[in-house]
Amino acid sequence: DGGITQSPKYLFRKEGQNVTLSCEQNLNHDAMYWYRQDPGQGLRLIYYSQIVNDFQKGDIAEGYSVSREKKESFPLTVTSAQKNPTAFYLCASRATNQPQHFGDGTRLSIL
Amino acid sequence: AQSVTQLGSHVSVSEGALVLLRCNYSSSVPPYLFWYVQYPNQGLQLLLKYTTGATLVKGINGFEAEFKKSETSFHLTKPSAHMSDAAEYFCAVSVNNYKLTFGKGTLLTVNP
Repeated sequence: DGGITQSPKYLFRKEGQNVTLSCEQNLNHDAMYWYRQDPGQGLRLIYYSQIVNDFQKGDIAEGYSVSREKKESFPLTVTSAQKNPTAFYLCASRATNQPQHFGDGTRLSIL
Repeated sequence: AQSVTQLGSHVSVSEGALVLLRCNYSSSVPPYLFWYVQYPNQGLQLLLKYTTGATLVKGINGFEAEFKKSETSFHLTKPSAHMSDAAEYFCAVSVNNYKLTFGKGTLLTVNP
């Protein structure tokens, strides 16, 4: 089955630690995205990548980093510089001229 | 820059009643418009999209939306609500079809 896999579903980390969220797609999509979702805030764009080895900052990139070394993978690192990292993180991908397709998300909690 | 306003963070309807979720957008160029649905602890699923052409767009699960340029609106409707429609709904706008701006969402409750 084609789709987007985000892992893990739930993630707990101690304050001050970096943590990496995984996003893998087997849809052969060129573009990939990371969003942060907070209650009542909708989705806000963190980073996006339109092609391998290239990515751009979204609206709330501070405290986050990404890489795009392979077409199917777009991992997101939440660094210790992110002031309020507890949130629901969603990964999406998109083929040319098609809507974005979403994974099932990772819920990150900082202890 | 584009923006989306969803009127009403929470809408409650009775089963079998009309569902109307409101979305207004701001865009300096002709927009692409989308409605997504999210069930608890899941990702977003596309309900429908407007790109060009017919202004009345039909989507999955009996939902439809009408693009009204003069009102800068893209309201989502369904004639008869079902219990399974209870979820959060997001309207989104794009001016280049690769970067989306989302509204803050409307939580739909369906009462038996």
